[in-house]
Amino acid sequence: QSVLTQPPSVSAAPGQKVTISCSGSSSNIGNNYVSWYQQLPGTAPTLLIYDNNKRPSGIPDRFSGSKSGTSATLGITGLQTGDEADYYCGTWDSSLGAGDYVFGTGTKVTVL
Amino acid sequence: QVTLKESGPVLVKPTETLTLTCTVSGFSLTNRRVGVSWIRQPPGKALEWLAHIFSNDGQLYSTSLKSRLTISKDTSKSQVVLTMANMDPVDTATYYCARSFSINTVYYMDVWGKGTTVTVSS
Repeated sequence: QSVLTQPPSVSAAPGQKVTISCSGSSSNIGNNYVSWYQQLPGTAPTLLIYDNNKRPSGIPDRFSGSKSGTSATLGITGLQTGDEADYYCGTWDSSLGAGDYVFGTGTKVTVL
Repeated sequence: QVTLKESGPVLVKPTETLTLTCTVSGFSLTNRRVGVSWIRQPPGKALEWLAHIFSNDGQLYSTSLKSRLTISKDTSKSQVVLTMANMDPVDTATYYCARSFSINTVYYMDVWGKGTTVTVSS
């Protein structure tokens, strides 16, 4: 099972805001950068946020990331129907051996 | 334009060894800060990181799957190869390769391939 815990689902009406939490520990989020990935239905994941709060070119500023201690948060404002997707956090975890890159459990965003 | 494309068998039998190839374009496998990771996703489940290869041929493996995995690259062909031994039906998944920003560890995957689906069944 993943060491990063996310809520299974969040939902909101179009135009509203949602936040997705990613809870970890000192061996992962607490001492490493967090990234976030969006996976639209039937497609490969794409990078949304890296280094906790940076957006790759082409990602709208409706998407934001933050980190505090051993938790990270993805925020989506001005929710659109095209934002319906699964969202995953990811980071390096050094709790076992040489370490692993770990993904969160995933959160499904539904636009009501 | 950076692209990655996975290729390999659609169906493998239990106990067989799976070999997947990731062919990249638009970047060099010798770029110091860039490597390639393999990630898989069983149907309806979360992403799982498998392995990573650095520009200097250094490798990292999933702690839980390390004994079954081998990652390598052929820079002249712009290809990264992953083998997974002793396949089991629970290994049925979509397998992705992704360009990954990495120095000593993996930081993030910025470009992903479309994935290839592998079913393990007799």
